[in-house]
Amino acid sequence: TQLLEQSPQFLSIQEGENLTVYCNSSSVFSSLQWYRQEPGEGPVLLVTVVTGGEVKKLKRLTFQFGDARKDSSLHITAAQPGDTGLYLCAGRSGYALNFGKGTSLLVTP
Amino acid sequence: DTAVSQTPKYLVTQMGNDKSIKCEQNLGHDTMYWYKQDSKKFLKIMFSYNNKELIINETVPNRFSPKSPDKAHLNLHINSLELGDSAVYFCASSHVGDSYGNTIYFGEGSWLTVV
Repeated sequence: TQLLEQSPQFLSIQEGENLTVYCNSSSVFSSLQWYRQEPGEGPVLLVTVVTGGEVKKLKRLTFQFGDARKDSSLHITAAQPGDTGLYLCAGRSGYALNFGKGTSLLVTP
Repeated sequence: DTAVSQTPKYLVTQMGNDKSIKCEQNLGHDTMYWYKQDSKKFLKIMFSYNNKELIINETVPNRFSPKSPDKAHLNLHINSLELGDSAVYFCASSHVGDSYGNTIYFGEGSWLTVV
């Protein structure tokens, strides 16, 4: 199983602040995905990055895939309370999707 | 319509009992999964079936037995439940055709508490 390390594990910020979440591995992935999980629900896909160095934007969220395809980052600009949740990165290994341990984000008004 | 539905959503049972969690997907996907999320929110794959055939079987006690009667269903049966089995179990599905990261769709989870 290829391990994905996420940091920070917990993050509590105020509305309007910016933040970055990191996902690192010693393995190369053909693709990497970011999911968000809200309490009482299953994870929901935010984005898939495929090409090394790729940057994708989803409104205030910016995702980057490392050049070597071993790491990724998620940057949120001007965080809002609705961004609160568990952010999970996941790398594909054959049929399986292996997840990092997640970053729990709390955005307070 | 719910894409991936699993039942029951909550299950409280005593140690030693046998229980099942059912899962159905209406997305026409060919691959289904069971994931376990522990109290620290770590999501770990347990099993995966592709076209009713078991393709992933991670290190899971043999008290856990998945069954896929058809491509749209993947049930999880657990024998002799233990306290450590308490967790949230997520069913998921995807279409394994795009090797670059087809989306996995998750159910809402089944909260299992063993007392």
